[in-house]
Amino acid sequence: KAGVTQTPRYLIKTRGQQVTLSCSPISGHRSVSWYQQTPGQGLQFLFEYFSETQRNKGNFPGRFSGRQFSNSRSEMNVSTLELGDSALYLCASSLDRDRARYEQYFGPGTRLTVT
Amino acid sequence: GQNIDQPTEMTATEGAIVQINCTYQTSGFNGLFWYQQHAGEAPTFLSYNVLDGLEEKGRFSSFLSRSKGYSYLLLKELQMKDSASYLCAVRTASGTYKYIFGTGTRLKVLA
Repeated sequence: KAGVTQTPRYLIKTRGQQVTLSCSPISGHRSVSWYQQTPGQGLQFLFEYFSETQRNKGNFPGRFSGRQFSNSRSEMNVSTLELGDSALYLCASSLDRDRARYEQYFGPGTRLTVT
Repeated sequence: GQNIDQPTEMTATEGAIVQINCTYQTSGFNGLFWYQQHAGEAPTFLSYNVLDGLEEKGRFSSFLSRSKGYSYLLLKELQMKDSASYLCAVRTASGTYKYIFGTGTRLKVLA
């Protein structure tokens, strides 16, 4: 079974630009979560999508948004980029069945650098 | 607020046993996860605890005490390849589910 894939793997943008990151979950997984990872803050939850609906949201400004398509693929968008947005953005998928362990499987991440 | 604490760094010797502690304060609890993350790679799942007690999986064991908000990951017969960051994460159950991660413990295994 193919793992979680994320594109692109590396991205360099300048302040003020916007960026779209893509995530394809493991086949059959309907829950997709996005995280920002920085050396000082660790993994911070951005949002979770399930069946094309945002089910949960972390404490990030409205510049961070996302969506999920009917095939469970998800995109994350960051508008008006700031230097502090430089980070590794990780996507994780899970089965999300009730009473199941549904551990999250992470993709390799997109390394975003804002200059 | 919601908080997960783990030591920042630990060092141990090849062949030894190391225990990485994690304490948490979250609104609602629906399971505790441990992940391993090698430098430059994505986190990979190690263990899951939702009931009190010890879960053993080969060289790795994880313990949970819900009343104390405490967990530990025990690594036995350490190998050089175990040098990595170990992330403790709690799945909360307040309304909808959410995963809260600690900042990770960087483990260095020395020869």
